[in-house]
Amino acid sequence: DIQMTQSPSSLSASVGDRVSITCRASQTINNYLNWYQQKPGKAPNLLIYAASSLQSGVPSRFSGSGSGTDFTLTISSLQPEDFATYYCQQSYTTPRTFGQGTKVEVK
Amino acid sequence: EVQLVESGGGLVQPGGSLRLSCAASGFTFSSYWMSWVRQAPGKGLEWVANIKQDGSEKYYVDSVKGRFTISRDNAQNSLNLQMNSLRAEDTAVYYCARVGYAYGFFDYWGQGTLVTVSS
Repeated sequence: DIQMTQSPSSLSASVGDRVSITCRASQTINNYLNWYQQKPGKAPNLLIYAASSLQSGVPSRFSGSGSGTDFTLTISSLQPEDFATYYCQQSYTTPRTFGQGTKVEVK
Repeated sequence: EVQLVESGGGLVQPGGSLRLSCAASGFTFSSYWMSWVRQAPGKGLEWVANIKQDGSEKYYVDSVKGRFTISRDNAQNSLNLQMNSLRAEDTAVYYCARVGYAYGFFDYWGQGTLVTVSS
């Protein structure tokens, strides 16, 4: 199985900050990497697919980059509604696997 | 508007069975792979199973193989998960999710249904 490792597990930031979250795959997954945002008590919401494609309706302050084994989710200017947990997920092979999550908290 | 609505969750004893359902609307259900994803309380996301558009291919995470069965009824626009021999570690919120056409991402999710396995 492909292991997905996110870092950091949590971070504290302020509104307006630039925030980056990294995700590393245990083997190459080309660009089959997706990012989700989840708020407490809610279902996850797709932000980025295929490593860098912005899902329809998602604000442009979210961006993704990377290929192979190393990927990054960047929020260019953190907004109040962005405090949440973020997950990466590989869709290169089965079983589909998720990172452990990164919680973005208020500083 | 795409909608996925899960039902069937509840409290069940270890070793028991439960059947989850997901009612889909707002898209051509028979054109998409569908999945179940779960989340144990306070934990991360875990993919459980996938099913192809016509039901001819099904895939499972190792921990549920032989116990869970994913199925679909394209005439009724419904996705199901039959869960047998349930264990305490199956306790989770179970989400139904649509698989995007390419790259295998989950582009729409239901609100989830809670399954609690406890005596």
